[in-house]
Amino acid sequence: DAGVIQSPRHEVTEMGQEVTLRCKPISGHNSLFWYRQTMMRGLELLIYFNNNVPIDDSGMPEDRFSAKMPNASFSTLKIQPSEPRDSAVYFCASIWGDRGTDTQYFGPGTRLTVL
Amino acid sequence: GDSVTQMEGPVTLSEEAFLTINCTYTATGYPSLFWYVQYPGEGLQLLLKATKADDKGSNKGFEATYRKETTSFHLEKGSVQVSDSAVYFCALSVSGTYKYIFGTGTRLKVLA
Repeated sequence: DAGVIQSPRHEVTEMGQEVTLRCKPISGHNSLFWYRQTMMRGLELLIYFNNNVPIDDSGMPEDRFSAKMPNASFSTLKIQPSEPRDSAVYFCASIWGDRGTDTQYFGPGTRLTVL
Repeated sequence: GDSVTQMEGPVTLSEEAFLTINCTYTATGYPSLFWYVQYPGEGLQLLLKATKADDKGSNKGFEATYRKETTSFHLEKGSVQVSDSAVYFCALSVSGTYKYIFGTGTRLKVLA
């Protein structure tokens, strides 16, 4: 069974460019999370989807960030325009269910560098 | 609000040493508690979990007991190996919600 798949694994871009990160959750999972990991702030929840619907986007830093989940097997996180302070590792995670006892399954992450 | 506090690293041990990584939490309701491990270049993966007070989670020689009276979930291993070198995250979630709160992570380095 393939785990959570993220692409690209590495992205280097210049300030002002649009960046799109992609995630394919585990088949059958109905909840999806986007996280950002930095040395300074650790692991931060950006947005949470349940059954493809955004439930909580309070962690999205600002309007430059947007996320979509058009169907149960695909989600995107877009940054437009990108800034150097967006440099981080972005993780996608999925679970079956919407309760806190469930185990989150993380993808390998996308390391984003904005020059 | 809910929070997780874990000991700062890095923790450096010799192979076969005893490991303890402390984790305490603050939460409303009845949280489930988790330890996740992150190996270099990879995502987080579940190491063990406990869903109610006095439960003990265990996996790969690691153990942690859910202590409600001390609001703690300390990670222990009797004899660490070089392959255990990684970053360990303590986390909680409150039953009935979707939110998971992660600690800042503790880096463990095991020397041969």
